[in-house]
Amino acid sequence: DAKTTQPPSMDCAEGRAANLPCNHSTISGNEYVYWYRQIHSQGPQYIIHGLKNNETNEMASLIITEDRKSSTLILPHATLRDTAVYYCIVRAFTNAGGTSYGKLTFGQGTILTVHP
Amino acid sequence: NAGVTQTPKFQVLKTGQSMTLQCAQDMNHNSMYWYRQDPGMGLRLIYYSASEGTTDKGEVPNGYNVSRLNKREFSLRLESAAPSQTSVYFCASSDMPGQINQPQHFGDGTRLSIL
Repeated sequence: DAKTTQPPSMDCAEGRAANLPCNHSTISGNEYVYWYRQIHSQGPQYIIHGLKNNETNEMASLIITEDRKSSTLILPHATLRDTAVYYCIVRAFTNAGGTSYGKLTFGQGTILTVHP
Repeated sequence: NAGVTQTPKFQVLKTGQSMTLQCAQDMNHNSMYWYRQDPGMGLRLIYYSASEGTTDKGEVPNGYNVSRLNKREFSLRLESAAPSQTSVYFCASSDMPGQINQPQHFGDGTRLSIL
């Protein structure tokens, strides 16, 4: 799976958009980009994923560059409850039975702090 | 809608004791996973079950065993606990084994301390 690079921390004012970048310059054609977040003391929470098109759901938007080497997670109106560690994960298809099956490689992520 | 439920939430063990961590999901998912998370680190896969009746080792399986009791339940057992197994354990589930684009849904974890 491709390696990802994220800034260690970011700040955002409540009510403003939070734009979290992720670099995945070694991504290959069959790899998806996933975003998860982990709020303190809770399990990781799935946010959104995409292959090459921009995606939007009720939580966030995912913008993937045309060359797929980077992406941005956008929280349109950040709230205090969005303070968390955000993980960008790139993952390819793996047949069941392989040791990497199901494995989500969580790096250090970005600590997003939303201020009042 | 409970999602993925883990029990217990907290546990303290002495070295050499055994215990089983329980996990149940109510989303009718085929695949289930056990991860551990050590302080300041990402999650590491211990074992997974692609579908009912199958289990396989992940990245860090030593010292653990698992049982896929039925489609809903996937337990993790420590036969002889060691201090190095002090960690937060997360269970997750996903639909459609082998389908790349199915996200994993996580429980809130079991915080295990081994003295």
